[in-house]
Amino acid sequence: DAKTTQPNSMESNEEEPVHLPCNHSTISGTDYIHWYRQLPSQGPEYVIHGLTSNVNNRMASLAIAEDRKSSTLILHRATLRDAAVYYCILMRSNFGNEKLTFGTGTRLTIIP
Amino acid sequence: DAGVTQSPTHLIKTRGQHVTLRCSPISGHKSVSWYQQVLGQGPQFIFQYYEKEERGRGNFPDRFSARQFPNYSSELNVNALLLGDSALYLCASSLGAGYTFGSGTRLTVV
Repeated sequence: DAKTTQPNSMESNEEEPVHLPCNHSTISGTDYIHWYRQLPSQGPEYVIHGLTSNVNNRMASLAIAEDRKSSTLILHRATLRDAAVYYCILMRSNFGNEKLTFGTGTRLTIIP
Repeated sequence: DAGVTQSPTHLIKTRGQHVTLRCSPISGHKSVSWYQQVLGQGPQFIFQYYEKEERGRGNFPDRFSARQFPNYSSELNVNALLLGDSALYLCASSLGAGYTFGSGTRLTVV
């Protein structure tokens, strides 16, 4: 499995944008970049995914480097409810037929 | 629509016992996966089932087994429980891109 590298922890002020980085230098051409987050006492929650182009949805934006060796999850205006562990995961397909390989993720703390 | 539901939410078992955990996927989702999350770590893949067939197995001992039923619900069974099996067990279902997780079953082995 291709590996990802994320900072262990980050802090951000409430109502400010947050940029969560992920390095995946061994990514293959067919790997999709997925992001999940896990709030305290809950199961992981799908956030966003992409292949080559930047992606936006109601939760976040995903910026993918041109060489695809890194990506950044962007929360445009952090709230206290965004405090969670964020996982960057590579998957070979775009369909729910393969496992998710979680790392240790980035623990995001939001400062009121 | 109901999300992924897991039962029970909490469970305490004694070493050597066996346990059965249950999962109901989102209606229409045919893929169900099981993950183990030990405190302080990310979830680790145990099994995946699709249309009642095993599609993947993680690096877990044979004490762990699972099955999927015709209605796509699933059970995870663990025999001869060890203290190290204490964890949050998560079930996830999928229809396409993206998995939806349940809130998990917290298993404590004493």
